[in-house]
Amino acid sequence: GQQVMQIPQYQHVQEGEDFTTYCNSSTTLSNIQWYKQRPGGHPVFLIQLVKSGEVKKQKRLTFQFGEAKKNSSLHITATQTTDVGTYFCARGDTGFQKLVFGTGTRLLVSP
Amino acid sequence: NAGVTQTPKFRILKIGQSMTLQCAQDMNHNYMYWYRQDPGMGLKLIYYSVGAGITDKGEVPNGYNVSRSTTEDFPLRLELAAPSQTSVYFCASSYLSGGLTFGQGTRLTVV
Repeated sequence: GQQVMQIPQYQHVQEGEDFTTYCNSSTTLSNIQWYKQRPGGHPVFLIQLVKSGEVKKQKRLTFQFGEAKKNSSLHITATQTTDVGTYFCARGDTGFQKLVFGTGTRLLVSP
Repeated sequence: NAGVTQTPKFRILKIGQSMTLQCAQDMNHNYMYWYRQDPGMGLKLIYYSVGAGITDKGEVPNGYNVSRSTTEDFPLRLELAAPSQTSVYFCASSYLSGGLTFGQGTRLTVV
């Protein structure tokens, strides 16, 4: 399957600042999922986006799926130290959900 | 409800040894997956299964084998361990094309 690229690879913010990570694909995505992995932990599923232009919110997290279904973003408003971790997007192929994970964005939040 | 259980949590193997990583889920999920994650990197799909008796290769299957005799269990077999197989191995499961539930991981070192 095609890879998905995430940018940035790493971001260090002060607590209270906003944070955004982007997931880009050269081909149209069937759907996209987002995961969070705390240091030393396992990935935890956050959300799945399926529709073109879809926007979903979870408290301070906002997820978007591009109109062309080739990109997605995760925005965190007013970061907290509990947001520390690596955020991965994962593309699902049409038909079977053989997820291919992106390269990840590591977020560090200083108090 | 235990979710996805992986054993062992840690293991050191000598080059050329073999071992089986165990994975069991109690959520009656039909899809199961094995991923590996190298330090500071994303997740690479090794093998996956859409149901008992059905398995298929992912992105990095060489050096591994799997079987799926029951819905609950999806063991991963490493034959002739090599240093390149030093990694953290995650088993995951999902109901159809929903979000993945990951196990706690197995940290494997080959020396």
